[in-house]
Amino acid sequence: KNQVEQSPQSLIILEGKNCTLQCNYTVSPFSNLRWYKQDTGRGPVSLTIMTFSENTKSNGRYTATLDADTKQSSLHITASQLSDSASYICVVSPNYGGATNKLIFGTGTLLAVQP
Amino acid sequence: NAGVTQTPKFQVLKTGQSMTLQCAQDMNHNSMYWYRQDPGMGLRLIYYSASEGTTDKGEVPNGYNVSRLNKREFSLRLESAAPSQTSVYFCASSERGPFSGNTIYFGEGSWLTVV
Repeated sequence: KNQVEQSPQSLIILEGKNCTLQCNYTVSPFSNLRWYKQDTGRGPVSLTIMTFSENTKSNGRYTATLDADTKQSSLHITASQLSDSASYICVVSPNYGGATNKLIFGTGTLLAVQP
Repeated sequence: NAGVTQTPKFQVLKTGQSMTLQCAQDMNHNSMYWYRQDPGMGLRLIYYSASEGTTDKGEVPNGYNVSRLNKREFSLRLESAAPSQTSVYFCASSERGPFSGNTIYFGEGSWLTVV
């Protein structure tokens, strides 16, 4: 079982609508949790980085939340645009021996924004 | 700004051939990474370099070698390519390791097919 699970696997929304993507993780302890956006055929681009003690972080229309007690994070996209169509990847950085140089990646949520 | 530059973008190899993927970053970062991305799986770390002259194996190092030529460049070599190495390869860099919370910047990817 992957240590970082994302849901839904894919999502279709209409332009201008809001959406929320989920990330559940079992990595413990961890240093930080990241959200990346990956356009088709491109490399991932960082959206937010939260330390284990932070609850929320915003980047424009993107807002990430973190609940370390329930080991859940979400990425909320407000007023979606066609350019938001991409895969969104949740990434956790472990903070236990032998793994501090690693990142554990989810498989991503594929978002399609339709006009 | 160029950021992280990878070459080549696309490559087709025959089983048993060798090749080197080149990566360079212009952000004066200490840490550099090589990942592979396969369908239905999260990115997986092949090798990591914390600084010039140091390299560490990641999750999937078998069949690969790396060289941290200097602070800017980190190359990945396939000595005898196998079909299982068909994948998309991403080079990345950051000021310090993942535990630090620094932004990790990815290149645009190299699509490798081994036939």
